[in-house]
Amino acid sequence: QKEVEQNSGPLSVPEGAIASLNCTYSDRVSQSFFWYRQYSGKSPELIMSIYSNGDKEDGRFTAQLNKASQYVSLLIRDSQPSDSATYLCAVTGAGSYQLTFGKGTKLSVIP
Amino acid sequence: EAGVAQSPRYKIIEKRQSVAFWCNPISGHATLYWYQQILGQGPKLLIQFQNNGVVDDSQLPKDRFSAERLKGVDSTLKIQPAKLEDSAVYLCASSPGPELNEKLFFGSGTQLSVL
Repeated sequence: QKEVEQNSGPLSVPEGAIASLNCTYSDRVSQSFFWYRQYSGKSPELIMSIYSNGDKEDGRFTAQLNKASQYVSLLIRDSQPSDSATYLCAVTGAGSYQLTFGKGTKLSVIP
Repeated sequence: EAGVAQSPRYKIIEKRQSVAFWCNPISGHATLYWYQQILGQGPKLLIQFQNNGVVDDSQLPKDRFSAERLKGVDSTLKIQPAKLEDSAVYLCASSPGPELNEKLFFGSGTQLSVL
């Protein structure tokens, strides 16, 4: 049974700061890693995907992957109140495209 | 491009009653998923369809849950009889095809309350 662990938070950061969200996974052969954002009462939306070790940047978002440590993170630079949401980490296994989601980390950006 | 459509948006029933949810995926998307999201948790996969065939239903409580996708397009998920612990948001998602399965597009969900 694949497990994806996230700190449920809430994580509070001041506006303009860097928010750091962390995720660990149990399946060593996991292949693909994703971050979904879910606003309260809304459905998840994909914001980042990463497949190889290292960093991947997209605007204010940076995903970091370390397969040896089975660790993936999401950095949000210049955090805005509109970034306040729950961030879900999701992974797929080897030979499988099915996603296993973590419980999510609730982020609050304080103006 | 129209998104994933789900209905109803909300449903309140008493335990032991039955309920059905409907989903219409994005046009042309071969893969359809039903997820259950309990408050404070991440989505949990219930069933995955590829066209009108079931790919994985290992986490579907088959004694009470059923799902179908008869013509490979829209899908229904049914619970009969419902239990208190079935209170959750039921999310339908679709994706273009097997090689892109991880890029899911979610519908707005059906929030079910079982009293």
